[in-house]
Amino acid sequence: EVQLVESGGGLVKPGGSLRLSCAASGFTFSTFTMNWVRQTPGKGLEWLSSIDGSGTYIYYADSVKGRFTISRDNAKNSLSLQMSSLRVEDSAVYYCARDSNYGSLWGQGTLVTVSS
Amino acid sequence: DIQMTQSPSTLSASVGDRVTITCRASQYINTYLAWYQQKPGKAPKVLIYEASSLESGVPSRFGGSGSGTEFTLTISSLQPDDFATYHCQQYHRYWSFGQGTKVENK
Repeated sequence: EVQLVESGGGLVKPGGSLRLSCAASGFTFSTFTMNWVRQTPGKGLEWLSSIDGSGTYIYYADSVKGRFTISRDNAKNSLSLQMSSLRVEDSAVYYCARDSNYGSLWGQGTLVTVSS
Repeated sequence: DIQMTQSPSTLSASVGDRVTITCRASQYINTYLAWYQQKPGKAPKVLIYEASSLESGVPSRFGGSGSGTEFTLTISSLQPDDFATYHCQQYHRYWSFGQGTKVENK
């Protein structure tokens, strides 16, 4: 089955760190650019970061640059997002999404709550 | 950054109605525009890409048009399964999304 499954969300204190993972299956993972997108009730959908198939080209939104790090392991069909210096405003549902220019496949999302 | 503005934010309609949602880009994006449907607790699902191309498996009552900075999503005859939130997305430079339009039952 073609799918993406995120994991790693949870409750973390402000200033803390968290690592999200996204497991891909059913397609040739290494040929696709992958993205992280988050969603909050107030701000809607927000693109965070993308990484090309080889892991060479990486881009970040200004809101997370310097705090979040995207990476991938093509041997394990896995995408990751290392989040540090977390803020209350980083609380959201985090999605990984396959890039066919647009988001052709999304995971179910994982909830991150940043609160003291 | 490219800002995407959708209107309206909420739309009340009945089954069988023709529904139109508009999306405006803050700068030229050619036809690099996608539309998504999202239901509560679920991930976005792509309906339209390249402004007017229907994603495989999506009912033909969904249609998209526009280019440059002005785009439209039309549902020709609203069905019970279509009550949801709709998002536009530009992919001309990175990704950015509109704030969403909730289609609710009148």
